[in-house]
Amino acid sequence: GENVEQHPSTLSVQEGDSAVIKCTYSDSASNYFPWYKQELGKRPQLIIDIRSNVGEKKDQRIAVTLNKTAKHFSLHITETQPEDSAVYFCARPGDGSYGKLTFGQGTILTVHP
Amino acid sequence: NAGVTQTPKFRVLKTGQSMTLLCAQDMNHEYMYWYRQDPGMGLRLIHYSVGEGTTAKGEVPDGYNVSRLKKQNFLLGLESAAPSQTSVYFCASSTGRRNIQYFGAGTRLSVL
Repeated sequence: GENVEQHPSTLSVQEGDSAVIKCTYSDSASNYFPWYKQELGKRPQLIIDIRSNVGEKKDQRIAVTLNKTAKHFSLHITETQPEDSAVYFCARPGDGSYGKLTFGQGTILTVHP
Repeated sequence: NAGVTQTPKFRVLKTGQSMTLLCAQDMNHEYMYWYRQDPGMGLRLIHYSVGEGTTAKGEVPDGYNVSRLKKQNFLLGLESAAPSQTSVYFCASSTGRRNIQYFGAGTRLSVL
């Protein structure tokens, strides 16, 4: 199957700074790229997603950008706050789809007050 | 509307014991999934189901079995637990028309 590589594995920032997490994929057919946030001890929850017909999508302090040519997509968090501290997962549609997702390895984001 | 509910929340097993994890969803979703989450390895798909009475293998199916006798329930079974199955298990469901998945709260399993 086709994996998705996520970097960095850990990211530490000061409150108010920006954070960027990047994922790369190799399957040209992938057309949907979600990001999930998992707070400590909680379930993963979708925070933003993008489809391949657009290059950028924003929702308040978070945004996702997609570069189809280079096959990578990124999560951008601006004006970070301590409550942004969590594990973030990128994903792409799994082989054969059926709603399946293949997840990246996750990024532990820590926002220091 | 409870969403996706998993039971139990925690369990400790001895090597060789068996158990069943239950996932229930009240959103009338066709598709359901079982993942395991291990540090540094993200969420890996164990088995999935695209409808009542159907199941299929995911990325890491060995040592697990599943059943989907009712649309709202998806059971994950461990017939003979091994320490390598110590993990956090998440169930998820989806309509399938979009790839958005809704997760349960997880089951933390330790096999000694």
